[in-house]
Amino acid sequence: DAKTTQPNSMESNEEEPVHLPCNHSTISGTDYIHWYRQLPSQGPEYVIHGLTSNVNNRMASLAIAEDRKSSTLILHRATLRDAAVYYCILRAGGTSYGKLTFGQGTILTVHP
Amino acid sequence: GAGVSQTPSNKVTEKGKYVELRCDPISGHTALYWYRQSLGQGPEFLIYFQGTGAADDSGLPNDRFFAVRPEGSVSTLKIQRTERGDSAVYLCASSLGQGDGNEQFFGPGTRLTVL
Repeated sequence: DAKTTQPNSMESNEEEPVHLPCNHSTISGTDYIHWYRQLPSQGPEYVIHGLTSNVNNRMASLAIAEDRKSSTLILHRATLRDAAVYYCILRAGGTSYGKLTFGQGTILTVHP
Repeated sequence: GAGVSQTPSNKVTEKGKYVELRCDPISGHTALYWYRQSLGQGPEFLIYFQGTGAADDSGLPNDRFFAVRPEGSVSTLKIQRTERGDSAVYLCASSLGQGDGNEQFFGPGTRLTVL
């Protein structure tokens, strides 16, 4: 699996936007970009995923660079509940590759 | 609705013992995954099932680890002759299928401690 690089940690204040970066310079044309997050003492939960176009859902937005070598997860208004480890994962396209390969992720701290 | 459940939530055992960890996936989910997570690390893939069969077991660290899913629903991860290095949180996840857009739903994990 292609590798992703994320900052070890980031901090934000409550109700401010948060931009979590991810570099994936060796991404292949069929790799999807997935984001999961893991709240303390819980299993990971899906946040969002995309291939080429920017994506929005109720939790977040995903901005993908035109060359696809980087992406940014955007939390529009951080809450205390958003404090978690955020994982950027590349997942090979097609139906044969089910597993997720997690890196170290970014620890997000949200200050009240 | 009910999410992925795992039992037990905590398991303490002694080195050399055998343990079984159980996962109940979301009803109707055909794909089931096992991961393990050591302190301070991201989850590490172990094995996944599509239906009853293991589609990819490349993450199992050695032959002491084995998993089954006999009826395509509940799965059991079995660890023989446990070692202290097996201590970790074992996570189970399920998804509707195994394609690109199929998000994985994770359970709360089983914390295994080998003394």
